[in-house]
Amino acid sequence: DAGITQSPRYKITETGRQVTLMCHQTWSHSYMFWYRQDLGHGLRLIYYSAAADITDKGEVPDGYVVSRSKTENFPLTLESATRSQTSVYFCASSELLRSDEQYFGPGTRLTVT
Amino acid sequence: DAKTTQPPSMDCAEGRAANLPCNHSTISGNEYVYWYRQIHSQGPQYIIHGLKNNETNEMASLIITEDRKSSTLILPHATLRDTAVYYCIVKSGNTGKLIFGQGTTLQVKP
Repeated sequence: DAGITQSPRYKITETGRQVTLMCHQTWSHSYMFWYRQDLGHGLRLIYYSAAADITDKGEVPDGYVVSRSKTENFPLTLESATRSQTSVYFCASSELLRSDEQYFGPGTRLTVT
Repeated sequence: DAKTTQPPSMDCAEGRAANLPCNHSTISGNEYVYWYRQIHSQGPQYIIHGLKNNETNEMASLIITEDRKSSTLILPHATLRDTAVYYCIVKSGNTGKLIFGQGTTLQVKP
């Protein structure tokens, strides 16, 4: 199916564990983004990528690592999860940067205990 | 990056037009105004965007003032399914990043 998917949809992990959230898009969009949304707040940009092997930090990058070896995939890794990283994570993609809409995935709800 | 100001909440009667205002007084000449909405727990959904001229699509209309310091999103015939948080965003001209604010919670009532 065409679109943008995220996995897993729900994840519970313990403090200190490494966890990777996956994002996959089928449009071959150049740009991909990771956001987090905390309860009652808007979305905040974590990292974004302009193309394969090109990534850059957003507003709240600390504690996260990204990679983009293939255009269609943009995994987000929490190297040592903390309770403050409990959040809903959204991945998005777009073809152009300035004048194009971003398409969002369904989100991953992550709980760190 | 330009900041936006929106009222935290609004109500609208079903079938009536919903007019959602947004102030973006520091917008730069090459920055676009985008509107997204987020229905409970789902990913944000693109609605419309514009640079200078008014825009209309199947979902909504976007009215941008001549000085570009404010805009209004119009849902012409609101339905209960339009109940959501609506985000007005000025897209960074350099990076294309979306900076989300708090948005307006629109409650459409029967």
